[in-house]
Amino acid sequence: AQSVTQLDSQVPVFEEAPVELRCNYSSSVSVYLFWYVQYPNQGLQLLLKYLSGSTLVKGINGFEAEFNKSQTSFHLRKPSVHISDTAEYFCAVTPGVSGGYNKLIFGAGTRLAVHP
Amino acid sequence: DSGVTQTPKHLITATGQRVTLRCSPRSGDLSVYWYQQSLDQGLQFLIQYYNGEERAKGNILERFSAQQFPDLHSELNLSSLELGDSALYFCASTPAPVGYTSTDTQYFGPGTRLTVL
Repeated sequence: AQSVTQLDSQVPVFEEAPVELRCNYSSSVSVYLFWYVQYPNQGLQLLLKYLSGSTLVKGINGFEAEFNKSQTSFHLRKPSVHISDTAEYFCAVTPGVSGGYNKLIFGAGTRLAVHP
Repeated sequence: DSGVTQTPKHLITATGQRVTLRCSPRSGDLSVYWYQQSLDQGLQFLIQYYNGEERAKGNILERFSAQQFPDLHSELNLSSLELGDSALYFCASTPAPVGYTSTDTQYFGPGTRLTVL
C-alpha cells in the first residue's frame, strides 16, 4: 500500500519570498508522483508530475519539485511566490503498475498563504 | 477549465435521502474516477470506471454506488445519507485505456458540494 505525508498543514510566507512544501511518501513498489493545486472553490489542477528520468521536474506557474528516492521525498519549491499562489497544495502518488488502475493517493494538503 | 463538468455545483439535502451526482468527462476520455474531499478524511479515492465497467474500488461505502453510461458520463448515487457524507465530491477523467501505465494526468472537475442537514 502507498501513503503520502505532507509535513506542514499550513505555510505562511511573504510575497516574493521562496517557499518549499514538503512531501514524503511510503510505498513497497515504484510510484509516480504528482503535485496538484486547489484554488478556493475550484477543482484540482496539475502542477507537475514525476514519472521517470531527471529528478528535477518543472511545472506550471514557476513551480518545480525534486524527487529523492533515498529519502522518499518529493518537495515542491518556488523561488518567488505571488499573492495569487495562495491555495491548497496536494501531493499524490499512484502505483507505477500497468492496467490503467491509476487511483491517486493524496496527502492531507498544505495550505499556502502568501501575505503582502 | 479542465473540460470535465459536474452537476449540480451545490446540493443540500436531509439525512436519509438519496442523491445523484453527475459527471461528464473530457471529450474522448474513457476513464472516470470519483473522489470525496471531507474535512476529516481529506481527499479519498472512491471508485473508477473504464468504458462502462468498474475497474477499481477505494473507500466507497455500500450506500454509495456509481455507473458509467455508453456516452461515458458517470453518475455517483449516494443513499441513506448521513451528516458525515457532507463533502466535496470530485470527478476526474483520463484517456487511459486498459493496459497503459498510470502516467496519465487526471483532469478534475469543479466538484459537487453536498451538504446533508
